Amino acid sequence: AQSVTQLDSHVSVSEGTPVLLRCNYSSSYSPSLFWYVQHPNKGLQLLLKYTSAATLVKGINGFEAEFKKSETSFHLTKPSAHMSDAAEYFCVVGRFSGGYNKLIFGAGTRLAVHP
Amino acid sequence: DAGVIQSPRHEVTEMGQEVTLRCKPISGHNSLFWYRQTMMRGLELLIYFNNNVPIDDSGMPEDRFSAKMPNASFSTLKIQPSEPRDSAVYFCASSWTGGADGYTFGSGTRLTVV
Repeated sequence: AQSVTQLDSHVSVSEGTPVLLRCNYSSSYSPSLFWYVQHPNKGLQLLLKYTSAATLVKGINGFEAEFKKSETSFHLTKPSAHMSDAAEYFCVVGRFSGGYNKLIFGAGTRLAVHP
Repeated sequence: DAGVIQSPRHEVTEMGQEVTLRCKPISGHNSLFWYRQTMMRGLELLIYFNNNVPIDDSGMPEDRFSAKMPNASFSTLKIQPSEPRDSAVYFCASSWTGGADGYTFGSGTRLTVV
């Protein structure tokens, strides 16, 4: 069965320093993987997606993620954090069954960015 | 494109009352999803519609919950009677058929049952 584990519930960085949010997935076949971001009291916004094309995926706002099959990982990175990046980030795996891609969310990682 | 539109943004109701949450998907999307977000359980899929037909309702918690999609531009999630444990943020999302490329989510409805 498909599942995701976000290895950190909270991450704190200083503005201008790199961001690393870790995600491991479990899937019985080649998965589709996503990162969503949720700003306080806002909806969920798609940051990027991996759907078996290039293993390095670039998303919005300077974020990117690398699909590593050997490590079953899909970590999210950004070279330089901005105050506006403070939010909750969800790693998501897609499970295709019954004719649709069911998105299964991780527990989330709350990113704090300090001046 | 206005995106997925949900109403109301906030709802406070008394236990035992009926609650109706509304969703307008993105025009042209034919898949619609309702999710619930709680601190304890995170984000859970409640129900999936394709071309206005419920396909997977295995996530609907119990008979007090019902969802309808009378046409391609409107869906409702109803809770009757509501209970305090139903307090959560309810999200609607839409996509092209099946959601292979991910979903577009609305801003959610924060429901508080007192």
